[in-house]
Amino acid sequence: EAGVAQSPRYKIIEKRQSVAFWCNPISGHATLYWYQQILGQGPKLLIQFQNNGVVDDSQLPKDRFSAERLKGVDSTLKIQPAKLEDSAVYLCASRWGTGEQFFGPGTRLTVL
Amino acid sequence: AQSVTQLDSQVPVFEEAPVELRCNYSSSVSVYLFWYVQYPNQGLQLLLKYLSGSTLVKGINGFEAEFNKSQTSFHLRKPSVHISDTAEYFCAVSEKGYNKLIFGAGTRLAVHP
Repeated sequence: EAGVAQSPRYKIIEKRQSVAFWCNPISGHATLYWYQQILGQGPKLLIQFQNNGVVDDSQLPKDRFSAERLKGVDSTLKIQPAKLEDSAVYLCASRWGTGEQFFGPGTRLTVL
Repeated sequence: AQSVTQLDSQVPVFEEAPVELRCNYSSSVSVYLFWYVQYPNQGLQLLLKYLSGSTLVKGINGFEAEFNKSQTSFHLRKPSVHISDTAEYFCAVSEKGYNKLIFGAGTRLAVHP
């Protein structure tokens, strides 16, 4: 069974630029999560989707971050404009029913 | 609000020695508890989880954890570590009935030969 796929794996941008990350969850997993993991900290939930609807985006900085999950499968997370403090690893996870969350390898973002 | 405290940011240990990684949580409701491992440049992998029942939970790679409700702890243990156990370990909690995970800051386990 293929795992959660994410791309790109690494991204370096200048502050005030925009960037987008892509996630392909495990086939059949209705729930999808985006986490932000700042160096030295645990992952923090940014947004949770159930199919193509948003369940929880309470910690998403909506002035610069946006996410969508068209057709309830793939998802993209966008940052516009990026700030230095957005440097982090962005993890995508998916889940089927009430089972465990499966995590992708993450995208490491460096904002200069 | 829920929170997780991992009491040690780094734990150095020699190969074949026992290890305990400590985790305390705070919550006003019943919770599920998890331990995840993260190897360099990889995502998180579930080691074990406590949902209900026996307070001693066994996971993959020889790890186990014990849920202590009175002390609000969920410490991770392994009787004999290997070099390959070198990684970052995260304790996480979720409120029963929900699936939002709250993670601790992580403990870096460094196993030396």
